[in-house]
Amino acid sequence: KQEVTQIPAALSVPEGENLVLNCSFTDSAIYNLQWFRQDPGKGLTSLLLIQSSQREQTSGRLNASLDKSSGRSTLYIAASQPGDSATYLCAVTGSNYKLTFGKGTLLTVNP
Amino acid sequence: SAVISQKPSRDICQRGTSLTIQCQVDSQVTMMFWYRQQPGQSLTLIATANQGSEATYESGFVIDKFPISRPNLTFSTLTVSNMSPEDSSIYLCSVEGTGTEAYEQYFGPGTRLTVT
Repeated sequence: KQEVTQIPAALSVPEGENLVLNCSFTDSAIYNLQWFRQDPGKGLTSLLLIQSSQREQTSGRLNASLDKSSGRSTLYIAASQPGDSATYLCAVTGSNYKLTFGKGTLLTVNP
Repeated sequence: SAVISQKPSRDICQRGTSLTIQCQVDSQVTMMFWYRQQPGQSLTLIATANQGSEATYESGFVIDKFPISRPNLTFSTLTVSNMSPEDSSIYLCSVEGTGTEAYEQYFGPGTRLTVT
């Protein structure tokens, strides 16, 4: 059974700092990995999708990497802003085509 | 990508009653999914809804408690039946992208349900 772990569970940083969120998964037989953002009480916004054959994806200040063989992914956020404050969720699509989510990292960026 | 809307956005219901949540997509999609997010927890898949067939439920979820309809390729409903406070959650529908975005999922804004 696929398990997804996100570290840290919570992170508080001052504005402008670069930061890294970590995600690990137990079964490397995945189709892709997605990073989502969730604001309090809201739905999910897809940030980045990395296919299993890819090593990284970039969108603006966000960069996500994938090391499928070791079961790890990182989300790098450059020059963080207070508007980046949210919960960041990592999810993998397994061989059964279903998404398995981690519990998320609650990010707070302080002005 | 796909634009997904859900109704209602939130509701407060009494125990023992039922609530039907609607999910509308702006394009035709084959697979739609319903998730539950309990307070402080991550998302758990309830079922997969395919048009023209019965929904496929995950372990721990049953049709009598969470009946699902999928009348066409752009719409689905999830009913939470005989509610108890433990059903208080955010319920989200999602769809799978097509073409080059295959296996990428897009989520609706969610329905925040509180059962008293």
